[in-house]
Amino acid sequence: SQQGEEDPQALSIQEGENATMNCSYKTSINNLQWYRQNSGRGLVHLILIRSNEREKHSGRLRVTLDTSKKSSSLLITASRAADTASYFCATDDRRNTDKLIFGTGTRLQVFP
Amino acid sequence: DVKVTQSSRYLVKRTGEKVFLECVQDMDHENMFWYRQDPGLGLRLIYFSYDVKMKEKGDIPEGYSVSREKKERFSLILESASTNQTSMYLCASSPQLAGRYEQYFGPGTRLTVT
Repeated sequence: SQQGEEDPQALSIQEGENATMNCSYKTSINNLQWYRQNSGRGLVHLILIRSNEREKHSGRLRVTLDTSKKSSSLLITASRAADTASYFCATDDRRNTDKLIFGTGTRLQVFP
Repeated sequence: DVKVTQSSRYLVKRTGEKVFLECVQDMDHENMFWYRQDPGLGLRLIYFSYDVKMKEKGDIPEGYSVSREKKERFSLILESASTNQTSMYLCASSPQLAGRYEQYFGPGTRLTVT
């Protein structure tokens, strides 16, 4: 069962621009995570935000969480060609915290 | 650094063959997971294990089984491979309570069943 849905499905920007990806989910959560996947590779964890947090920063990444709207956004500032990848949100379920449920991902292309 | 390794990056098997995908992690994590990833469908959980010899079905367990005889190793078994099992398979591990901790992924195995 899909919990997270990312929007847009694909995004193309120029180097130096900001990239914003959105994630919506269905059930109450304890935590939301964002992952990155380079083409044909495994996923790498970027950032975790807890349900009682509204915003979190890590380097050029900014994540927001709005639990009333059941949505999150990932902002990458001053993008680089090396940021080209797919980005996934993943949520737990407040009733079952052992599993993560991943969304379908946003494919980001950053042109030099 | 946490390392999760998978036995093969690419694998080609014939319909009806028994297929073993192996995953090993070196961080003494309690939880291990097998996902498959298909275009437009994201990652879907096949099975996970929270302890040695313990396993739980994920969202799409049909046609798969798993084995966890040692804490560091989690195997995915396709008893009789079919073409609709052609996919990218990703293994992951995490400490307890996966939602509170990040998952560490292996590089993936791209399986083609012909």
